[in-house]
Parts: sequence; structure tokens; C-alpha cells
Amino acid sequence: EVQLVESGGGLVKPGGSLRLSCVASGFTFSSYSMNWVRQAPGKGLEWVSYSSSSSTYIYYADSVKGRFTISRDNTEKSLYLQMNSLRAEDTAVYYCARVRRVGATRAHPFDIWGQGTMVTVSS
Amino acid sequence: DIQMTQSPSTLSASVGDSVTITCRASQTINSWLAWYQQKPGKAPNLLIYDASSLESGVPSRFSGSGSETEFTLTISSLQPDDFATYYCQQYNTYSYTFGQGTKLEIK
Repeated sequence: EVQLVESGGGLVKPGGSLRLSCVASGFTFSSYSMNWVRQAPGKGLEWVSYSSSSSTYIYYADSVKGRFTISRDNTEKSLYLQMNSLRAEDTAVYYCARVRRVGATRAHPFDIWGQGTMVTVSS
Repeated sequence: DIQMTQSPSTLSASVGDSVTITCRASQTINSWLAWYQQKPGKAPNLLIYDASSLESGVPSRFSGSGSETEFTLTISSLQPDDFATYYCQQYNTYSYTFGQGTKLEIK
């Protein structure tokens, strides 16, 4: 079964750090670009970050640029999001999501999503 | 960044109805548009990509159309399972953006 499982969420104080993980199974992780998407409570979806399959191309939303770092370990079939200098407005469910097309050379939509991990930034 | 605007924000309909949701882009995105369905507490599910292509396994009552800046998602003959929130997403650039969502409610 094709699956993504996130972990690492929790309660953190403003200014703190957290590292999210996403483990893939059921497909060749190293062939796919991956993303992080978040959803604040009761709000819509916000794209956070993108990593190409070999980490050659990495992009961030302006709202997290300079504070968050996406990375991946293809041997471990894992995607990560290091979140520093966290703010209250970073409170959200964080999803990892697979780009729909293998070896994509342009942007594509997301066909596989994890169940999400909740991050709460509060004092 | 490209802004995506969905309308309406909320839509009330009955089982068996046909409904249409509109998504407008602030600049042309060709046909690089997707639609997702999301139910409470669940991850989004891809329905339509490239504006009008149906994702595998998605019922044929879902259809998409449009290009450039104006797009629509139509659900014909609504089923009880269709009551959810729907989002459009542009992928013309890697700064992916989503619409604010349309909540489809039972009338």
C-alpha cells in the first residue's frame, strides 16, 4: 500500500524548534518530488515547501523562508521539515504530500498525502 | 504570488443535485489547476488535475473545465459522500497556492 506517515508534531513555545518526519512506503520514494502542506485549525490549505527527488531544487513559501528547512534521506525513504523560530501562526496540521508524477521537471499536483501531524505553538 | 479565489465559500445542495464551484486565478496558469476534496479530520484527496483530467478512482460525476484564469468543478447527481470541502490549487509555479475552499453542505 502506498503510504506516507508523519510524526514529530507537538506543543512548543514561541521561538522554539521542532523537526517533523514523513516516512514513505509502497513506492519508490527516491523517484518523487515531495512537499509539506499545512492547515491551521479551521482554515484552508497552505503549501509550505517543496523538494525535488534528489534535493536539487528546494522551494519555500515566503511565510516560512529562512525559518524552515526541508530535507530528505532517500535511503531511509524519509522527508523532514526542520522548523525554527516558531510562531503562533505556525500552529497547524502539517501534511507531507507526494507530487503526482515521477521524475517531474515541472510542478505537479499532489496525489498521496499523509494523515498529518499537529504542531501547536503556544506559551 | 498567484492568488486563487474560489466561489462560493459555502454551498447548500441536496442529494441528486448538480453543483458548480468556480476558481479564479490572479494571472494565467494555463491548465495547471487541480481540485481536491477534504473531509473533516482527513487529508485532502486529489479529484481533478490539469484542469479537466479525472484522477484514477474518482467517480465520473466529478468533472473540471477551464483554462487561463477561470476554472470550474462540477459535481453532477450529488451523493451523500460528496458533502465536504473542496479546494482548487494552481501549480503553474512551484509557489503552489490553494483557493480558500468551498464547503458543500446538505440542504
